[in-house]
Amino acid sequence: EAQVTQNPRYLITVTGKKLTVTCSQNMNHEYMSWYRQDPGLGLRQIYYSMNVEVTDKGDVPEGYKVSRKEKRNFPLILESPSPNQTSLYFCASSFIKGQPQHFGDGTRLSIL
Amino acid sequence: QKEVEQDPGPLSVPEGAIVSLNCTYSNSAFQYFMWYRQYSRKGPELLMYTYSSGNKEDGRFTAQVDKSSKYISLFIRDSQPSDSATYLCATQGGSEKLVFGKGMKLTVNP
Repeated sequence: EAQVTQNPRYLITVTGKKLTVTCSQNMNHEYMSWYRQDPGLGLRQIYYSMNVEVTDKGDVPEGYKVSRKEKRNFPLILESPSPNQTSLYFCASSFIKGQPQHFGDGTRLSIL
Repeated sequence: QKEVEQDPGPLSVPEGAIVSLNCTYSNSAFQYFMWYRQYSRKGPELLMYTYSSGNKEDGRFTAQVDKSSKYISLFIRDSQPSDSATYLCATQGGSEKLVFGKGMKLTVNP
């Protein structure tokens, strides 16, 4: 089954404690991206990757890092999380940029 | 001006009603338009994907693009309680990245 898998689905943590949200896709997609979804603001892109070792900032990259060492994986790293990063996060992938994306089921992060 | 504007609702209708969801976009160069459906505690899933102007029908769903007015619509006929979800419009915006509307929450009451 074609899917984008995110882990964890839920996480409550404290300010400053580094965390990583993993994302893996099994569709051999080249393009992957991370979004955050907040009430009243919709989906906003954090980072994206056109292919292995090629990443770039989206609209709201501050406070986040990503890496793309393998085609299927695109982890999101919060080195020093802060409460304003409390949000619902989605990983998505597509064959190329601009094509319809497949989304994971989301990771709800609460940073106290 | 935002690239895509969508009324966030919410919208509540009785079962069997025809639902109309709408978005406007700013750039006449946009060619590809999408509608996503998002159930509670799930990720958005692609519902309809259209290119340029015109209508596309899939079962009870019809996507319509009017490029002259930069208006995109999703119509749901004979709406069902299972259609209750948030619907997001999207287009391939500047720099070819996808740009999403904020989403409209729809509730279909039995």
